[in-house]
Amino acid sequence: KQEVTQIPAALSVPEGENLVLNCSFTDSAIYNLQWFRQDPGKGLTSLLLIQSSQREQTSGRLNASLDKSSGRSTLYIAASQPGDSATYLCAVRVNNQGGKLIFGQGTELSVKP
Amino acid sequence: GAVVSQHPSRVICKSGTSVKIECRSLDFQATTMFWYRQFPKQSLMLMATSNEGSKATYEQGVEKDKFLINHASLTLSTLTVTSAHPEDSSFYICSARMTSGGGWEQYFGPGTRLTVT
Repeated sequence: KQEVTQIPAALSVPEGENLVLNCSFTDSAIYNLQWFRQDPGKGLTSLLLIQSSQREQTSGRLNASLDKSSGRSTLYIAASQPGDSATYLCAVRVNNQGGKLIFGQGTELSVKP
Repeated sequence: GAVVSQHPSRVICKSGTSVKIECRSLDFQATTMFWYRQFPKQSLMLMATSNEGSKATYEQGVEKDKFLINHASLTLSTLTVTSAHPEDSSFYICSARMTSGGGWEQYFGPGTRLTVT
């Protein structure tokens, strides 16, 4: 059974810092991995999607990497801003369960001005 | 593009009543829609997967008679919480997958906050 874990559960940094969020998964048989952002009381916004054959994806100040063999992904946020404060969720799409997304618990990020 | 809406955004109902939540894909057709539940400070838990024109597939532990799902068209799925109880209070999020050309990327609605008193 696929399990997704995110570390840390919460993170507080001063504005301007570069930071890394971690995601690990137990079964490397994934179709792709997706990072989402969730603001309090809101739905999910997709940030980056990495196919299983890819190593990384970049969008603006965000860079996500994928090491399928070790079951790890990282989300790198450069030059953090207070507007980046949100919960970041990692999810893997499994191959053998109809393409279901399995979510981690999320990392709650707070960027202090 | 790829916008998913939910209605209502917030609902309060009395224990024992039923409440319906709508999920619509506004600018694309979705053969598959997903319903998730999220408790405070917790991640999303998949409740069921619905395919247009067929019965929904429920995850283990989710009562199909309590959470009725209808995927009547390629742009609309509904979740009805029947005989709601306070423990059903939660944040319900739907998601839609494109019929074609979108790979397997899912697009999420803004969520519905259900409070059962």
